[in-house]
Amino acid sequence: AQKVTQAQTEISVVEKEDVTLDCVYETRDTTYYLFWYKQPPSGELVFLIRRNSFDEQNEISGRYSWNFQKSTSSFNFTITASQVVDSAVYFCALSGTGGFKTIFGAGTRLFVKA
Amino acid sequence: GAVVSQHPSRVICKSGTSVKIECRSLDFQATTMFWYRQFPKQSLMLMATSNEGSKATYEQGVEKDKFLINHASLTLSTLTVTSAHPEDSSFYICSARVALDGELFFGEGSRLTVL
Repeated sequence: AQKVTQAQTEISVVEKEDVTLDCVYETRDTTYYLFWYKQPPSGELVFLIRRNSFDEQNEISGRYSWNFQKSTSSFNFTITASQVVDSAVYFCALSGTGGFKTIFGAGTRLFVKA
Repeated sequence: GAVVSQHPSRVICKSGTSVKIECRSLDFQATTMFWYRQFPKQSLMLMATSNEGSKATYEQGVEKDKFLINHASLTLSTLTVTSAHPEDSSFYICSARVALDGELFFGEGSRLTVL
């Protein structure tokens, strides 16, 4: 069975603070894909990143960075110098090889205050 | 990037009526699309996998007769909520992949309110 756990339900920070959103996953597949999506109040899901299980390189994209650690089954997401526009719900997701269905974590609601 | 379009974005209907939601892949062919449901302040729950030219595969606990899925072409999947009731009110989102191991693209979502 596959599972994605986002233990942080809500996080509140002040603008310019750094914030890390945690994601822990479970899967028996050796090949799998991990994703992060942002869902602003409008409801649309915005793709942020995809990482396959064979690529443990960390990635940085502007103020966003991701830390993939297979040893701890974690795929954490850090926003540096947060901004009010970062306020949204962030979902971590996992896609295995069984039909490539994608399951989502519960989401972390981020509030960035000015 | 690839675009998935959903229509309608919002629909309000009376209890007992049926509502159809369309999901189109605009610039690529999608042999497989996925339908999710999201309750307020909750995560996305996979309802079913829609396969072009064959029957959809439903997740456990999802009523096949309530949520009819049709994937008639490589660019269109439809979800019909039959005999809708207030408890069916939710945000429904479709998604599609360009390739099996590729990025999952999402539609804009359809907010259904059943009165």
